[in-house]
Amino acid sequence: DGGITQSPKYLFRKEGQNVTLSCEQNLNHDAMYWYRQDPGQGLRLIYYSQIVNDFQKGDIAEGYSVSREKKESFPLTVTSAQKNPTAFYLCASRLDRVDQPQHFGDGTRLSIL
Amino acid sequence: AQKVTQAQTEISVVEKEDVTLDCVYETRDTTYYLFWYKQPPSGELVFLIRRNSFDEQNEISGRYSWNFQKSTSSFNFTITASQVVDSAVYFCALSESPGGGADGLTFGKGTHLIIQP
Repeated sequence: DGGITQSPKYLFRKEGQNVTLSCEQNLNHDAMYWYRQDPGQGLRLIYYSQIVNDFQKGDIAEGYSVSREKKESFPLTVTSAQKNPTAFYLCASRLDRVDQPQHFGDGTRLSIL
Repeated sequence: AQKVTQAQTEISVVEKEDVTLDCVYETRDTTYYLFWYKQPPSGELVFLIRRNSFDEQNEISGRYSWNFQKSTSSFNFTITASQVVDSAVYFCALSESPGGGADGLTFGKGTHLIIQP
């Protein structure tokens, strides 16, 4: 089945460690996005990428990094510089056609030990 | 700057009641797009509807209906004869482009809808 796969579903990190969240899609979508969701908050955009080897910062990019080496993959690294990384992270993708909305994965919940 | 306000943090109703979720937006763009997404307990966001700023016709899809009023900058969502499976967090979102933008969507904080049996 086609879709967006985020792994792992739950992730724990010790303070000071970098951690990478995976997002893979087999929908042949062009654009991919990373959002952060905090309790009682809406989603906030971290990074987005419209094409391979290109990505742009969103509203809250500090302390995060991404890569887009393949069309189907858009991993997010939460670095030790991110002071409050505990959150629910959602990956999305969309086909670059004017009428196509974003589709979302199931999310990864990151917690600090 | 764009902004979406969902003033209702949580709504609880008994099954079969009708319920309306409010969404008020702010934007300086003359062309923009409004979205509703549903987030069930499993976590993924499910796309429900998109509406562009030039189309103020109300839309109905089964038990769901949407009321877009440009004059009040609102895009409200009504569920008729609610069911327990409708329990979820619902997000209203705004973008300057129909696909949610090259630069992503602006989300409201969401309304947690609880349907009690």
